[in-house]
Amino acid sequence: SYELTQPPSVSVAPGETARIACEGKNIGGRIVNWYRQKAGQAPVLVISYDSDRPSGIPERFSGSNSNNMATLTITWVEAGDEADYYCHVWDGTNDHQIFGGGTKLTVL
Amino acid sequence: EVHLVESGGGLRQSGGSLRLSCAGSGFNFRNYWMNWVRQVSGKGLVWVSRLNYDGSVSSYADSVKGRFTISRDNAKNILYLQMNSLRVDDTAVYRCAREDGAGAMAIDYWGRGTLVTVSS
Repeated sequence: SYELTQPPSVSVAPGETARIACEGKNIGGRIVNWYRQKAGQAPVLVISYDSDRPSGIPERFSGSNSNNMATLTITWVEAGDEADYYCHVWDGTNDHQIFGGGTKLTVL
Repeated sequence: EVHLVESGGGLRQSGGSLRLSCAGSGFNFRNYWMNWVRQVSGKGLVWVSRLNYDGSVSSYADSVKGRFTISRDNAKNILYLQMNSLRVDDTAVYRCAREDGAGAMAIDYWGRGTLVTVSS
C-alpha cells in the first residue's frame, strides 16, 4: 500500500520560513493536500491540489509537489502557526485515503 | 455554515459493537462523499472508511475491513459507522469528514469527533 513519510518535527524561529516535507514514491504524479491541526482541535485544510489555498488561509502558506517529495512552506512563521501538519493523498488503485504521519511545527 | 456533529461513542469491551452517527447541516449532504477518520490521543490521523453520494460505493482501511460498515441516510443528513468485533486498538477519537468534491478528494470540513474506548 502507498505510504507517505513526514519528519516528526520541524522547529523555526518567528519570522523564518518553515518547510515541511512529505515523501512518497512518485508523489509528484498524485494530488497532495495539507492539513493543520492545533492542539485539541479538528484538522483544517490549508492546501489542496498541491498548491491551492482555501478561502481564509493566508498567502504565507504554499505548497509544491514533484518527483518523490511534496512540500508545505510557511513563510514569516508566527507563534499561531504552531501545530501538527499532515499531508494527504487519495490512492485511486484501492480507493483509500492516505495520511502522512504528521509533523509537529514548533515556533521557538 | 457547515457543521458535522458526531455521536455514539463510548466504552465497550473487546468483541463488542458500537454505532457512530454524524449529523451534517449547512450544506446539501447528499451531494458529498463522506469519510470517517480516527486518531489515537497524541498520534496521527488514520483514515477508516469512505462513502459516495448515495451510499452505493464504499471503501475501508485494511484494519477495519470486514468489521466496520459505513452507511448514510440522505433523508436525515446522517452518516453512520457500524463497528463490530471491536478491538483494543480501535480505541480513538472518530471524526466524520466531508470531501470538497473538487477532485483532489481533499477534506474541507471535519467534525469535532466522538471518543471510542475499547477495553480488554
